[in-house]
Amino acid sequence: AQSVAQPEDQVNVAEGNPLTVKCTYSVSGNPYLFWYVQYPNRGLQFLLKYITGDNLVKGSYGFEAEFNKSQTSFHLKKPSALVSDSALYFCAVRERGTYKYIFGTGTRLKVLA
Amino acid sequence: GAGVSQTPSNKVTEKGKYVELRCDPISGHTALYWYRQSLGQGPEFLIYFQGTGAADDSGLPNDRFFAVRPEGSVSTLKIQRTERGDSAVYLCASSLTAGQGTYEQYFGPGTRLTVT
Repeated sequence: AQSVAQPEDQVNVAEGNPLTVKCTYSVSGNPYLFWYVQYPNRGLQFLLKYITGDNLVKGSYGFEAEFNKSQTSFHLKKPSALVSDSALYFCAVRERGTYKYIFGTGTRLKVLA
Repeated sequence: GAGVSQTPSNKVTEKGKYVELRCDPISGHTALYWYRQSLGQGPEFLIYFQGTGAADDSGLPNDRFFAVRPEGSVSTLKIQRTERGDSAVYLCASSLTAGQGTYEQYFGPGTRLTVT
C-alpha cells in the first residue's frame, strides 16, 4: 500500500538560512511525487512535482526537491528562507498506473525574522 | 482565470441529515478529485472522476457517501445520514487528464462541514 511520512510536525528556521522539509514514501515501483503548500485561509497550492528525469526538481517560489530512490525520499529545500514561506507543507505520492494520491500529515514551517 | 470553486464554504447540519457539497472545476479539466481533510491531517482521497465516470471510488468511507459528475464538469458530493465523525473540510481538486502528462491538481478552498 502507498504511504507517505513527514516525520516533523514543525520546522523552525531563521530567515535567510536554508530550509529542509522531509518526506519519505512507500509505493510499488516508481512514484509520482509532489509538494503542496497551504497558507492560512487559502487552498492548497502546487509547488513542484517529480515525474521522471532529473532527480533535482525546481518549483515555484525558489523551492526545489530531490528525489532519492535508494532512500525513498523527496525532501523539499530552499537555499534561503523567507518569513513569507511560513505555511503548512504537504508531500504527496501517486503510484504509477493509479490515480489515487496519498498525502502526508503535513509539516508546519515557521521562518523566524 | 477562474480557479476551482466550492459551495457552500461552510455547512452546519444536524446529525442524521442529508447534505450536498458542490464543486466547480477549472474549465477544461477533465479530472476531478474529492478529498476530506480532518484537523491536523493531510487530505484523504475519497473519489476520482475522469469525465463523467468515477474511475476510482475506493476512498469513500461507506455507502452513506456518494458523488456524481453528470456532465463531466460540476460535481456534487452527497452525504446521507450525517454523523458527527463526518465533520471535516471537504476539498475538491481538478487537473488536466493524467493521460496528457500533467498531474498537478488545483484545489478549491474547501467546504467546512460541521455535524452537530
